[in-house]
Amino acid sequence: GAVVSQHPSRVICKSGTSVKIECRSLDFQATTMFWYRQFPKQSLMLMATSNEGSKATYEQGVEKDKFLINHASLTLSTLTVTSAHPEDSSFYICSARYQGVQFFGPGTRLTVL
Amino acid sequence: QKEVEQNSGPLSVPEGAIASLNCTYSDRVSQSFFWYRQYSGKSPELIMSIYSNGDKEDGRFTAQLNKASQYVSLLIRDSQPSDSATYLCAVSYNNNDMRFGAGTRLTVKP
Repeated sequence: GAVVSQHPSRVICKSGTSVKIECRSLDFQATTMFWYRQFPKQSLMLMATSNEGSKATYEQGVEKDKFLINHASLTLSTLTVTSAHPEDSSFYICSARYQGVQFFGPGTRLTVL
Repeated sequence: QKEVEQNSGPLSVPEGAIASLNCTYSDRVSQSFFWYRQYSGKSPELIMSIYSNGDKEDGRFTAQLNKASQYVSLLIRDSQPSDSATYLCAVSYNNNDMRFGAGTRLTVKP
């Protein structure tokens, strides 16, 4: 149990386009999901907390209009990187909490050309 | 002030040795403690959880918790090259607040 999936695993896009990343809890319901970003050789950075049925809570310094989060159901949260630029290239990882433990998705590697 | 602190390493141990990874956390009401392993280019995976003072063993891994000292550690016995990864300490303060340390990079040399 407690499997979290992400799609796509890897995406390459042109600068200025938008990219949507999906995060699903496969065998449990998650009222809260978390979105992280990790640059090479750096720590996990929490971007936002996604709450089912309500607005996401963003960490300081994360632009909510650039990183749109939708948590429309108990098993799906999406992160849309709008007007992506090369500096947005990173490893994006979601996680969900199950019985008090956070389980991570496999991550999405975004490359913006 | 960081809430969860780890030595970033790198920590290098020879194959077969014991690797000791340490983590301290700030003075808050803390409930649960976790160790995650993250291989390069992959997402973190849970390897141990500990909820009460003392030791918890799972195979070659032992987690140790000392709430009075606000200290949690992970020991890896008979270290293998495949244990080379970054180890993240995480502390849960309540059901909706979990904080991660920056991670300690471990290298096990054959």
